[in-house]
Amino acid sequence: ETGVTQSPTHLIKTRGQQVTLRCSSQSGHNTVSWYQQALGQGPQFIFQYYREEENGRGNFPPRFSGLQFPNYSSELNVNALELDDSALYLCASSSPTGGSQETQYFGPGTRLLVL
Amino acid sequence: GQQLNQSPQSMFIQEGEDVSMNCTSSSIFNTWLWYKQEPGEGPVLLIALYKAGELTSNGRLTAQFGITRKDSFLNISASIPSDVGIYFCACPFSLYAGNAGNMLTFGGGTRLMVKP
Repeated sequence: ETGVTQSPTHLIKTRGQQVTLRCSSQSGHNTVSWYQQALGQGPQFIFQYYREEENGRGNFPPRFSGLQFPNYSSELNVNALELDDSALYLCASSSPTGGSQETQYFGPGTRLLVL
Repeated sequence: GQQLNQSPQSMFIQEGEDVSMNCTSSSIFNTWLWYKQEPGEGPVLLIALYKAGELTSNGRLTAQFGITRKDSFLNISASIPSDVGIYFCACPFSLYAGNAGNMLTFGGGTRLMVKP
């Protein structure tokens, strides 16, 4: 069974640029969630994709957008980068059970630095 | 928004000591999760609690789901150097009725350092 993978591992951008982060879900999982983890804090939910559609969104502006592909892999796009966007971006995959016992499996993350 | 308050923020202990950390919320949750994150890695699920009052163990780790459903604690017995990392509590929630999947809200983490 292949785990969750993310690319790239590290990235440096400058303010105003755009960035695309990628995630491959664990085999058999059709749901991908993205989280932002600032230094010294817990992960914050950005949005979730299920069957190629956005299924829920946290308190992040529209310049954070995403996609899910037919193979359930996903992209996170951030436009007009700001310094505060510097963080570890985590992807998690799961297979919805309709109950609270669904487990999310996290990838290693992409560390983004905005200068 | 929903917030989980974790304490302590950090702990520096001697190898062999027991560790206790907890997590509280102003909201009721039906599931409490404990994750561990090591440098350069994503969080890994350690223990999941699904029933108020439940006490669950995973090796040297023991976690309890508070009876009010607003808190949980995690204990680590006889700590070893590989216990080093950041421990997070997390609870799943749904933004909308009929959501296909759950989102997670996380606490701020407890950073554990173990001195050999």
